[in-house]
Amino acid sequence: DTGVSQNPRHKITKRGQNVTFRCDPISEHNRLYWYRQTLGQGPEFLTYFQNEAQLEKSRLLSDRFSAERPKGSFSTLEIQRTEQGDSAVYLCASSLARGQGGSPLHFGNGTRLTVT
Amino acid sequence: DAKTTQPPSMDCAEGRAANLPCNHSTISGNEYVYWYRQIHSQGPQYIIHGLKNNETNEMASLIITEDRKSSTLILPHATLRDTAVYYCIAFMDSNYQLIWGAGTKLIIKP
Repeated sequence: DTGVSQNPRHKITKRGQNVTFRCDPISEHNRLYWYRQTLGQGPEFLTYFQNEAQLEKSRLLSDRFSAERPKGSFSTLEIQRTEQGDSAVYLCASSLARGQGGSPLHFGNGTRLTVT
Repeated sequence: DAKTTQPPSMDCAEGRAANLPCNHSTISGNEYVYWYRQIHSQGPQYIIHGLKNNETNEMASLIITEDRKSSTLILPHATLRDTAVYYCIAFMDSNYQLIWGAGTKLIIKP
């Protein structure tokens, strides 16, 4: 399967602990995105990379959240000092930026975080 | 990105064509119309996108009105596996985020 891969699929943690998620995008894709989704809502943008550069970060994202994409390949999303409000599905997507034409985002199946 | 408006839910009989409407009256000239769907416990799945012309692929057809203010996604022969939430989004490459509405919950009935 050459789609977007996310690990782990599920994570249960206690409030105050740090967690890290990994995303492996489609190999030739130069753009990588993180979104968050809560029950009954559409995905909400968190941050975006073009190659290894983090070009945008949502104002809604607190400083407890950090993302990296070393060497422009896989990405990690870390949440420090987790809170119950962080419970959500964290989705990763990738796309191939082109000069013209639409560039669909392809999503992984997400990491479901439960903070107890 | 332009906002889109979709009906909250629709039913369709198995084997019939499912036609899902979307209004995007404020869409700009270089924004594409994208359709995704999301089946429970999975990530959003890309279906199709278009700019001005109608588009067809192995999953669906996309009909965009001439004024580009609305579009229709057509699933030609709906199956039970097409039951999902369908999202219509207006988006252009120079932007970095898709803005998602609540989508249409499509239920295919046997």
